[in-house]
Amino acid sequence: DAGVTQSPTHLIKTRGQQVTLRCSPKSGHDTVSWYQQALGQGPQFIFQYYEEEERQRGNFPDRFSGHQFPNYSSELNVNALLLGDSALYLCASRDTGEWGYTFGSGTRLTVV
Amino acid sequence: RKEVEQDPGPFNVPEGATVAFNCTYSNSASQSFFWYRQDCRKEPKLLMSVYSSGNEDGRFTAQLNRASQYISLLIRDSKLSDSATYLCSDGQNFVFGPGTRLSVLP
Repeated sequence: DAGVTQSPTHLIKTRGQQVTLRCSPKSGHDTVSWYQQALGQGPQFIFQYYEEEERQRGNFPDRFSGHQFPNYSSELNVNALLLGDSALYLCASRDTGEWGYTFGSGTRLTVV
Repeated sequence: RKEVEQDPGPFNVPEGATVAFNCTYSNSASQSFFWYRQDCRKEPKLLMSVYSSGNEDGRFTAQLNRASQYISLLIRDSKLSDSATYLCSDGQNFVFGPGTRLSVLP
């Protein structure tokens, strides 16, 4: 049983560009959350999707947007990339009845 | 003020030792919490949940102290493989602490 899968694993982008990161949740999971993790820090919550709608959002600007598809997979889009957006982006999923999340291995984004 | 705080460590302990970490939180409405383990350059993995009654799983014990607003993780008989960063999060998983780094030394 595949866990949470994310693509790509690594990405290098230029400041000002746009990026799309993808996530397939663990089988049976319908809730997806995205996190940004800078080196040496804990994950910072970006937003959570359930039933194709954004349900909760952390303290991130509108440059960060997302989508959830009918098959529960999700995308994270970041526009107008800044150098400070360089981080590990983690996708996590859970079933509605659960509390703890299963994390994917992340996408490491470098903005140059 | 950060909502979830942890001592970043590192905690360097000999193999076989007992070690405890605390995590303080500011949202008194939080009902439950989680401990995750994160190895270097890997994703967090759920270790255990923490509710009012506490939780024990083998060598690991987690407790919640509502009066003082902190949760604790106790690791008994530390193994080399316990070396990792331990993250605590609120029950909604919206807020994570910065993590506490543990190194178990031979």
